[in-house]
Amino acid sequence: DIQMTQSPSTLSASVGDRVTITCRASQSISSWLAWYQQKPGKAPKLLIYKASSLESGVPSRFSGSGSGTEFTLTISSLQPDDFATYYCQQYHTFSPPYTFGQGTKLEIK
Amino acid sequence: QVQLVQSGAEVKKPGASVKVSCKASGYTFHIYGISWVRQAPGQGLEWMGWISAYNGKTNYAQKVHDRVSMTTDTSTSTAYMELRSLRSDDTAVYYCARTDAGGDYVLIDYWGQGTLVTVSS
Repeated sequence: DIQMTQSPSTLSASVGDRVTITCRASQSISSWLAWYQQKPGKAPKLLIYKASSLESGVPSRFSGSGSGTEFTLTISSLQPDDFATYYCQQYHTFSPPYTFGQGTKLEIK
Repeated sequence: QVQLVQSGAEVKKPGASVKVSCKASGYTFHIYGISWVRQAPGQGLEWMGWISAYNGKTNYAQKVHDRVSMTTDTSTSTAYMELRSLRSDDTAVYYCARTDAGGDYVLIDYWGQGTLVTVSS
């Protein structure tokens, strides 16, 4: 199985900060990487797919990059609504199970 | 708009089975699949498997493959997930999610609201 490792596990930041979350795959997944945002008591929401494609309706301050085994999610200028937990997931057809990273909790500093 | 509405919370005893439903609307049901993902209290997301609503083909995670069944009813645009021989560590919120499957990818794009399943004696 492909292991997905996110870092950091917790990130403290302030409104207006630029933040980056990293996700590493234990083997190459090309660009088949998605990022989700989850708020307490709510279902996850798709932000980024195919490593760098922004889902419709998601603010442009979110961006993704990477390929192969190393990926990043960047929020260019944190807004109050962005404090949540973020998960990466690999979804390459030929590599089930489609595992999630362990999550990164973004907290207000 | 795409909506996935799941059945209500369940409380089950160890060894019992649970069947969670997921009714889809706002899109052509049989063109997509449905994935099931669970989240234990305070924990991360765990992919359980997915089913193609087009041809009924399934792919289950090894951890649950001998206890889970995923089905769809295209006449009512509803997906079902049954988990048998429940244990206390199956206590979790269970999510269904629309799945866009192409040749090289199986992408989850929309999620249901979640169903809490509690396993307790």
